[in-house]
Amino acid sequence: DQQVKQNSPSLSVQEGRISILNCDYTNSMFDYFLWYKKYPAEGPTFLISISSIKDKNEDGRFTVFLNKSAKHLSLHIVPSQPGDSAVYFCAASAMSGGSNYKLTFGKGTLLTVNP
Amino acid sequence: SAVISQKPSRDICQRGTSLTIQCQVDSQVTMMFWYRQQPGQSLTLIATANQGSEATYESGFVIDKFPISRPNLTFSTLTVSNMSPEDSSIYLCSVQTGGNNQPQHFGDGTRLSIL
Repeated sequence: DQQVKQNSPSLSVQEGRISILNCDYTNSMFDYFLWYKKYPAEGPTFLISISSIKDKNEDGRFTVFLNKSAKHLSLHIVPSQPGDSAVYFCAASAMSGGSNYKLTFGKGTLLTVNP
Repeated sequence: SAVISQKPSRDICQRGTSLTIQCQVDSQVTMMFWYRQQPGQSLTLIATANQGSEATYESGFVIDKFPISRPNLTFSTLTVSNMSPEDSSIYLCSVQTGGNNQPQHFGDGTRLSIL
């Protein structure tokens, strides 16, 4: 049973446009959410996070939105650049549940930004 | 963030053999973890490497198969024992510095293929 789902295996966007990557979760105990970017032959790199007390967090071109009632979060990249082409992983943890270190990951979405 | 070095970066091994993967961090960290990413799958937590005591394993992972050492706050090893083709995966070390609501940071991983 996958508790974190990224239903789009891939996404293709034109340079300069917005990229929207989506993530759904089923575990209501999750209260901390993260996005990681992964290039081939490298480990995941932390991008941005959000705790459940917020519904939006912004860092430069990257914004994460959290809709707790829908158990849905999204990552917006504006404007998209060719260097953003990578696999993006959504991850979640239950900070208040004792296992605050355990990250549960989605399967990832391959973003391709075309020049 | 901490610089995390993993060795080896990749290896091809014969079934029935064992391989030890090393993870070195350039600063002392409280929490170190080992993950596995099987082909086409998400990252899955194997265990938390505890300094000075036995590792804490997640459901489905056992010490006999994945013995872990953590002799100090900057170093850990993961051994994949008695390997079979099903163990072909990327194995990743991660660290968490600071307290709650802090992201984990990952090494570049070890790409392991079992023949």
